[in-house]
Amino acid sequence: QVQLQESGPGLVKPSETLSLTCTVSGGSISSYYWSWIRQPPGKGLEWIGYIYYSGSTNYNPSLKSRVTISVDTSKNQFSLRLSSVTAADTAVYYCARHVGSSGWLPHYYMDVWGKGTTGTVSS
Amino acid sequence: QSVLTQPPSVSGAPGQRVTITCTGSSSNIGAGYDVHWYQQLPGTAPKLLIYGNSNRPSGVPDRFSGSKSGTSASLAITGLQAEDEGDYYCQSYDSSLSGWVFGGGAKLTVL
Repeated sequence: QVQLQESGPGLVKPSETLSLTCTVSGGSISSYYWSWIRQPPGKGLEWIGYIYYSGSTNYNPSLKSRVTISVDTSKNQFSLRLSSVTAADTAVYYCARHVGSSGWLPHYYMDVWGKGTTGTVSS
Repeated sequence: QSVLTQPPSVSGAPGQRVTITCTGSSSNIGAGYDVHWYQQLPGTAPKLLIYGNSNRPSGVPDRFSGSKSGTSASLAITGLQAEDEGDYYCQSYDSSLSGWVFGGGAKLTVL
């Protein structure tokens, strides 16, 4: 059974870069799409972006200028970098796997989620 | 403000039926993109509840059902139980944003 585990520094200073890693266990990172999603305290879910195991990416337009998602297939990991952070970026960050039966990416859904990791922006 | 609109809260007594709506537009639900639903119990990560508008993953009770019509989708929960309390999110794809979008979430309270 595939499991996802987020990791990274819990505290980042304003204007610096938040870096998180998602480790995939119990299965291969290959042949799947993988996303990062965040949830500010007391608020709803926001999709940040996805990466295909081959390295192709797509980002939420509202975050695109500050986001980079990368993949390391040898380590079965993918990572998130969010630059120039402010207090508004404080959130629980989740990684998730996309699957779909139709073969059409827009129809894909997130069937496996990590437990989440808190990213706090504070000086 | 979320691209997909959900009521902030819904409630019902144990054993009753509740419905959570998810209203979108012609660039997401109305364009034919599938709607998926996630359940987030207090202090936990979201969990897939319904995929492809009306399909239940293995292990999800048949008390949960989904439907879609036009620019809206609905999640119905019958035989409400105390353990159903939590937040419920709809999700779809938006062609204007070229990405996935979530509803704002609906908090379910079992009275």
